[in-house]
Amino acid sequence: DAGVIQSPRHEVTEMGQEVTLRCKPISGHDYLFWYRQTMMRGLELLIYFNNNVPIDDSGMPEDRFSAKMPNASFSTLKIQPSEPRDSAVYFCASSSRQEGKNTEAFFGQGTRLTVV
Amino acid sequence: EDKVVQSPLSLVVHEGDTVTLNCSYEVTNFRSLLWYKQEKKAPTFLFMLTSSGIEKKSGRLSSILDKKELFSILNITATQTGDSAVYLCALIPSGTYKYIFGTGTRLKVLA
Repeated sequence: DAGVIQSPRHEVTEMGQEVTLRCKPISGHDYLFWYRQTMMRGLELLIYFNNNVPIDDSGMPEDRFSAKMPNASFSTLKIQPSEPRDSAVYFCASSSRQEGKNTEAFFGQGTRLTVV
Repeated sequence: EDKVVQSPLSLVVHEGDTVTLNCSYEVTNFRSLLWYKQEKKAPTFLFMLTSSGIEKKSGRLSSILDKKELFSILNITATQTGDSAVYLCALIPSGTYKYIFGTGTRLKVLA
């Protein structure tokens, strides 16, 4: 398996524009996580899905952020409209359950978002 | 709120030194505690700990969990420059399946 795949790797956009980040989890994993990483706040969980259903979106900062998982192999994180304070590295991760326990989470390479 | 605190925030050592990184938490019930290493990009998995007092070991790295005192440590012996990275601790609280991360310890190993 190629691991968790994210696109794009880098995104530079102007304030007010819509940004869409994409993620393909590892095949067979039924949990998918979106994280945001900044120097100030570290790795923050934004939302996670189980079997394509959003379970906990309490980390989504504002209504400008939305996430979808239309099928088991694809998820998007959208920011509309984007603001400079959204600049960060966004990671997608996936995991599965084996024998009643979660495996470790596997991370994608991240999308570095810069909003100017 | 579930909280994971790592110390020190940063550390500079010389090759060959031994380091101990700390992870304490304010979560009384959790499924697992995990350690990750983050170099330039994605965090990569090191250890998963579920039981108190049982050491996990991989080469020069080892980790142990103390559920009574609510902490875990990651030891690195005979450090090398390739160990320079941010080391992250994460918890999966009971009742959820999410991974909550600490802010990490930035380790720099000088040649």
